[in-house]
Amino acid sequence: AAGVIQSPRHLIKEKRETATLKCYPIPRHDTVYWYQQGPGQDPQFLISFYEKMQSDKGSIPDRFSAQQFSDYHSELNMSSLELGDSALYFCASSPSGSSYNEQFFGPGTRLTVL
Amino acid sequence: DQQVKQNSPSLSVQEGRISILNCDYTNSMFDYFLWYKKYPAEGPTFLISISSIKDKNEDGRFTVFLNKSAKHLSLHIVPSQPGDSAVYFCAASFSGGGADGLTFGKGTHLIIQP
Repeated sequence: AAGVIQSPRHLIKEKRETATLKCYPIPRHDTVYWYQQGPGQDPQFLISFYEKMQSDKGSIPDRFSAQQFSDYHSELNMSSLELGDSALYFCASSPSGSSYNEQFFGPGTRLTVL
Repeated sequence: DQQVKQNSPSLSVQEGRISILNCDYTNSMFDYFLWYKKYPAEGPTFLISISSIKDKNEDGRFTVFLNKSAKHLSLHIVPSQPGDSAVYFCAASFSGGGADGLTFGKGTHLIIQP
C-alpha cells in the first residue's frame, strides 16, 4: 500500500540558510500534519492543513511556514536556520472523517544544521 | 508541561509473555488516544486507538484499556514477539474528524528478550 512520501530524507544546511521539506500524502488523504522530533524527544506538532487551508497550529516557530497545494502535497519552509532546528521532521496524513484522528506518518526528513 | 506522560523509558519482557505499556494524561479534554510503534530511522506506525467513550479496544495481539477517571491508559501485547521490540508512543487528540495535532508522550522502549 502507498505510504506517505517525504523528501529529501536527509538534509544538511548551514546556520542562517533556508530549507524546504516536501510531503506527499497517501492517495485520497486530504489532511497533512507536520511534526518535529528532537534527539531523544517525542514528536512535537507543528502545523496541519485540511483541504489546502491551515487547520491547527502547534509550536511552529515564526521562521517556519508551510502550505498545502492543490494536489494535497505539502511543503515546510524553514528560514534563518538555527542549530536547534536539527531534528527529524515527520509528515503525516489522514483522510477526512477519520473518527479517531489516526494519522499515518512518513519516514521523516533528518535535518542537520551546522 | 507534558500533558501525556509515559513514565517508563524502557521495559524488558520475555518472548511469549505479556507486555504492558502505561500512559497517563493530564488534559481531560482529550477525546481520542492512540498508540504508535517506532523503529529507528522510520516514522511512527499506527497500532491501535480508543475513544474516550470506550474502556477497551482490541485488535489481534494488541489491546488498549482506558481508565478515564484515573486519566490512564495501557497497551497490552500478548504474546510478545521479537518483532515487537521498538519504541512505543502514546498519543492523545481532541475531537476526531478534525485536523488536530497529536500530543505525544516521550515513549517507552520495549525490548523483547528471547
